[in-house]
Amino acid sequence: SQTIHQWPATLVQPVGSPLSLECTVEGTSNPNLYWYRQAAGRGLQLLFYSVGIGQISSEVPQNLSASRPQDRQFILSSKKLLLSDSGFYLCAWSPGWGNEQFFGPGTRLTVL
Amino acid sequence: GESVGLHLPTLSVQEGDNSIINCAYSNSASDYFIWYKQESGKGPQFIIDIRSNMDKRQGQRVTVLLNKTVKHLSLQIAATQPGDSAVYFCAATNSGYSTLTFGKGTMLLVSP
Repeated sequence: SQTIHQWPATLVQPVGSPLSLECTVEGTSNPNLYWYRQAAGRGLQLLFYSVGIGQISSEVPQNLSASRPQDRQFILSSKKLLLSDSGFYLCAWSPGWGNEQFFGPGTRLTVL
Repeated sequence: GESVGLHLPTLSVQEGDNSIINCAYSNSASDYFIWYKQESGKGPQFIIDIRSNMDKRQGQRVTVLLNKTVKHLSLQIAATQPGDSAVYFCAATNSGYSTLTFGKGTMLLVSP
């Protein structure tokens, strides 16, 4: 069966510090991968998606970036965090287009 | 583009009642729809999906209805239980090559 992992589970970072969140998927190959952000009491905002290694599409311009160094690894990064980057970051995968997305447990990021 | 909205931000029901959560979508090209359940502090969990060649699909205690004429779908939960308390999101996509667009969510509160 497929599983998706995210770490860390929670993170508190000062403004201006770098960020690296990691997501890995097990039990499948060549998945579509997604990064979402969810502000408190709000819906899901798609940040990035990837259909293959090294292929990244950005949905929202901001100071975040994503990379996919391996087939089942998806990384969300920032060089300098802003207060507005605080939120709940969710990674998801799907077996191609037109299928349900399966979400990881999320990372709660607080920028102070 | 696609926008997906929900009619009510909060729905309060008594245990044992049936719950109905509604969702409207804007893109007539959308042909795949999903309902997710998100408990506090966790990632969204897939509940049920429906494709545009159907107008009804049933799962365990849940039914999704799709009305393509008015671009509306609903999630019905039978005999609602306290464990059903969560935020429910609808999502829509054009399965040919498109990301999911999520609604803002409806919080379902079930009182004993």
